[in-house]
Amino acid sequence: DTAVSQTPKYLVTQMGNDKSIKCEQNLGHDTMYWYKQDSKKFLKIMFSYNNKELIINETVPNRFSPKSPDKAHLNLHINSLELGDSAVYFCASSLQENIQYFGAGTRLSVL
Amino acid sequence: EDQVTQSPEALRLQEGESSSLNCSYTVSGLRGLFWYRQDPGKGPEFLFTLYSAGEEKEKERLKATLTKKESFLHITAPKPEDSATYLCAVRGGSQGNLIFGKGTKLSVKP
Repeated sequence: DTAVSQTPKYLVTQMGNDKSIKCEQNLGHDTMYWYKQDSKKFLKIMFSYNNKELIINETVPNRFSPKSPDKAHLNLHINSLELGDSAVYFCASSLQENIQYFGAGTRLSVL
Repeated sequence: EDQVTQSPEALRLQEGESSSLNCSYTVSGLRGLFWYRQDPGKGPEFLFTLYSAGEEKEKERLKATLTKKESFLHITAPKPEDSATYLCAVRGGSQGNLIFGKGTKLSVKP
């Protein structure tokens, strides 16, 4: 009964491919997030999304797109993968602006 | 621009040796300061939220404090299981997203 779950845990792919990472939360939260943690362990917000609004960090390339089929899911699609996209991607959720709870992360390696 | 700076980057302690981690921040309109713990290969785990200067919170061997410019995470008589990276984050500004520091990697040797 994991609160925030991400799949897959590991993803190895070639440059130029398109891939998706899935995220699901069973906490009843209304806001979900995607973060990127680089090799220096720096955690940076990519997107936040609730029913009403998608907020995009302006530094995120438009090759990245979040897709939310319902309140409990926020998937991350990445087109034309590049070497620099290699990182750990974390999904998180919260009830409005309260505490954010994180998933275990997806380690993406682009070869 | 909102910013969070944590120090030191790494801290090595002997079991039982108390110390403090620092988180300095600049933010327009603080709407919460958060401490998380991150173990290798796992996601950040929530520890504390502080909202106003002077506020303090405690959990087991950890105590978090907040001033107008910085927060401290005090670790009293640490044990090896306290070894982890401790992340500080602030929420502020118009969008209200969390801005994280780079973390302090704590190692506690028996």
